[in-house]
Amino acid sequence: AQSVTQPDIHITVSEGASLELRCNYSYGATPYLFWYVQSPGQGLQLLLKYFSGDTLVQGIKGFEAEFKRSQSSFNLRKPSVHWSDAAEYFCAVGPMEYGNKLVFGAGTILRVKS
Amino acid sequence: DTEVTQTPKHLVMGMTNKKSLKCEQHMGHRAMYWYKQKAKKPPELMFVYSYEKLSINESVPSRFSPECPNSSLLNLHLHALQPEDSALYLCASRDAGQSSYEQYFGPGTRLTVT
Repeated sequence: AQSVTQPDIHITVSEGASLELRCNYSYGATPYLFWYVQSPGQGLQLLLKYFSGDTLVQGIKGFEAEFKRSQSSFNLRKPSVHWSDAAEYFCAVGPMEYGNKLVFGAGTILRVKS
Repeated sequence: DTEVTQTPKHLVMGMTNKKSLKCEQHMGHRAMYWYKQKAKKPPELMFVYSYEKLSINESVPSRFSPECPNSSLLNLHLHALQPEDSALYLCASRDAGQSSYEQYFGPGTRLTVT
């Protein structure tokens, strides 16, 4: 069955430090992979997506992610975190067979300390 | 423009009330979604509309009634809700004609059932 695992529920990093959020997926075919960010009480904003081609994809707000098929991973990275990056991050995979649905991971809450 | 708008931002209703949530997008997307999100959880899919027809109902109780009057508008009619229905309700849209599958989310309606 298709699924997404985000192993870290919470991560705390210092402002200016680098960040890596982990995402592992289980999917029968070539996946479409996404990272979304959600600030408290807000909707989800698409950070970046991977469909095919270059396995290192660039997104908005200085984020990037690398697709590694051999590890079934799609980790999100940022070289220098800003206090405004504090939010919840969701990895998602799709499409599902019926209805082009996305499956979301449980999310990782990022805290940034000054 | 990748904007999905939702009104109202906040809604408080009693268990005997009838209310509606509204979602609008002008990106020409022909797939629209309703999600329910509880605190610290990923979004849970409720309904999918494709070309203004209901294509997926994820076994949602009948006290939630979706409606898609035209290609830009999606409503969620609420009646006789329970306190456990309190949550953030998110609308999303997708370009059904493209094999890209990313969904664009609105800011959500925070619903409290008293």
